[in-house]
Formats: sequence, structure tokens, C-alpha cells
Amino acid sequence: QVQLQESGPGVVKPSETLSLTCTVSGDTIGNYYWSWIRQPPERGLEWIGYVSYSGSTNYNPSLKSRLTISSDISSDTSRKQFSLELSSVTAADTAVYFCARTAYCGGDCHRIDSWGQGSLVTVSS
Amino acid sequence: EIVMTQSPATLSVSPGERATLSCRASQSISSSLAWYQQKPGQAPRLLIYDASTRATGIPARFSGSGSGTEFTLTISSLQSEDFAVYYCQQFNDWRPLTFGGGTKVEIK
Repeated sequence: QVQLQESGPGVVKPSETLSLTCTVSGDTIGNYYWSWIRQPPERGLEWIGYVSYSGSTNYNPSLKSRLTISSDISSDTSRKQFSLELSSVTAADTAVYFCARTAYCGGDCHRIDSWGQGSLVTVSS
Repeated sequence: EIVMTQSPATLSVSPGERATLSCRASQSISSSLAWYQQKPGQAPRLLIYDASTRATGIPARFSGSGSGTEFTLTISSLQSEDFAVYYCQQFNDWRPLTFGGGTKVEIK
């Protein structure tokens, strides 16, 4: 069982950096990628990227030049968090940002099996 | 990038009836597909992965099928709590992972 909770500013000014943190409690041991997904108002889901237990990352190419995902998750720390930074934001980055746990496997059984509740970030001056 | 196309955009169904949702991939993704349900103001919830494996705690009225480029989510007898938006997601190509645009299942 795992729980995820996003935190960060609800409003960011255009051209500034959006920063969010996801705090994880529960099961962090296993084949997981710690992921971010966003959803603009009244629209569908967009995968942003992930960071692995070892710190390797995989980013959506459409955001890669502005994106940093980092992690502070390990089995021997009580603080388990991972973070998102998106620079040079515009109104198009206004969305609900979800942190999530992606389970991966050796075959086709990959899935996003746990989600945070989401955090609305509005880009506005 | 693999494009996922869901149809229809909106499906009007009466409670107790069957709902059939479609998801098509722009290229073969084997069985590397998941389905999610999202209700207003909530995060998505995993329903199906590996195209046909129900996630933990998901009722048997939800079933998934398909492989390659054509996939289906079937809800055998719609309950009131099933009216929501449903998304498919492919995991065959991770650069990037992509979702379908969603199908809204509404009360007829």
C-alpha cells in the first residue's frame, strides 16, 4: 500500500519555474518509477516523466528542455519525496499535476497503480 | 510517438446496460495497455493492465481485451458509480508514454 501527496504553490508567474514535491508513504520497495502526469482544465492526461530508484530519468520530449525530476526515495530514509521542476512556464502549463507510482515488469504488465490526489497549478501574473 | 485514439468521445448508456469502449494505437503495442477510470475532481484509478488483467479490487463487470492496435474495455452492466471518463494508456514506447483522449460514459 502506498500513498502519494503533492505539495507546492498554486500560482506561478509566467516565465518562472513551477516546483512541486510528492511525499510518499508506504511501499516504495520494488520495480517502480516515480512519475508525474498533468491534466489541463477540462482536457485529457499528459505524461510528463519519471525518476527511478537509482535516479535515472525519462522525460516527455515535448517538455524535456524545461524539465527536471529528482528523487529522494530510498529504503533507508524516513523522508521519501520526489520533485518536479518545470522552467519558463506559460499559460499552457496550467494544469492539475499528479504524482504517481508506475509499476514496471518484464513483460507487458506495466501500469500506473497509485496516484496522488492532484495539485492545481495556475500560471498567471 | 504512439498516438492513442479512443472512441466514441461520449457514450450514453442506461444503468444495467453494457458499455463498450474502444482504444486504437497508431502502431502495434502488443498487450502493453492500461485502462483508467476518472471521476470529476479525482485522480484516475487503474482498472486494467496488460490489456486484460483486472487491477486489485476491480469488479468483474470490467473486462479488457485486444492486442496489437485494437483494444476494448467492456463494462458488462453499468452501475451508477461507473459513470465517469475512461482513458487508455500505452506502455510499449516509453518515449513518451501516451494516453488516449478519453471516453466519457454518461447516463442515458
